[in-house]
Amino acid sequence: DVKVTQSSRYLVKRTGEKVFLECVQDMDHENMFWYRQDPGLGLRLIYFSYDVKMKEKGDIPEGYSVSREKKERFSLILESASTNQTSMYLCASRNGGGAYEQYFGPGTRLTVT
Amino acid sequence: GQNIDQPTEMTATEGAIVQINCTYQTSGFNGLFWYQQHAGEAPTFLSYNVLDGLEEKGRFSSFLSRSKGYSYLLLKELQMKDSASYLCAVLNAGKSTFGDGTTLTVKP
Repeated sequence: DVKVTQSSRYLVKRTGEKVFLECVQDMDHENMFWYRQDPGLGLRLIYFSYDVKMKEKGDIPEGYSVSREKKERFSLILESASTNQTSMYLCASRNGGGAYEQYFGPGTRLTVT
Repeated sequence: GQNIDQPTEMTATEGAIVQINCTYQTSGFNGLFWYQQHAGEAPTFLSYNVLDGLEEKGRFSSFLSRSKGYSYLLLKELQMKDSASYLCAVLNAGKSTFGDGTTLTVKP
């Protein structure tokens, strides 16, 4: 079974803190994604990566950065957390070949106070 | 731009059939996904359509009409465990754009 894990299920941070969200997948997938999910707004793509050290902006990259130093790990960084970044963050991975389904991690519920 | 529409909520009775619609207007199209998401859990893959027509997989079927920008997910013999959100997502240039999801409540 494909397994996507995220470093924390729940996280509480203060405004202005630097926040790291880690995601690891064990299926050697080329593609990895970070989404945030908010009520009434659905899943929105923040950043994605097609390969190690490669990154592409999604629909809402402002206030975020990412890092992919190893194939299995994709990190989301909030340089200076703000209250409007309180959300559920979901990581996903996908094979780069003909199989397009995404496998999601359990999510991190981040609260910024 | 991308625009994907689904009903916000639906209610159905155990044992019945329910159809969840999704309409889309996107700049490109490489396929359409349906995912299921139970409350507090991650989305899980249900189906993928890239050609017009119906794909059947057990109690779940998914239909696509590319010319109409329309898909539906059909759930038969509803069970209580089918209560969840159902997300429609359009794939374009390697990225998926998700609708807001339809929350389905199955009642006894």
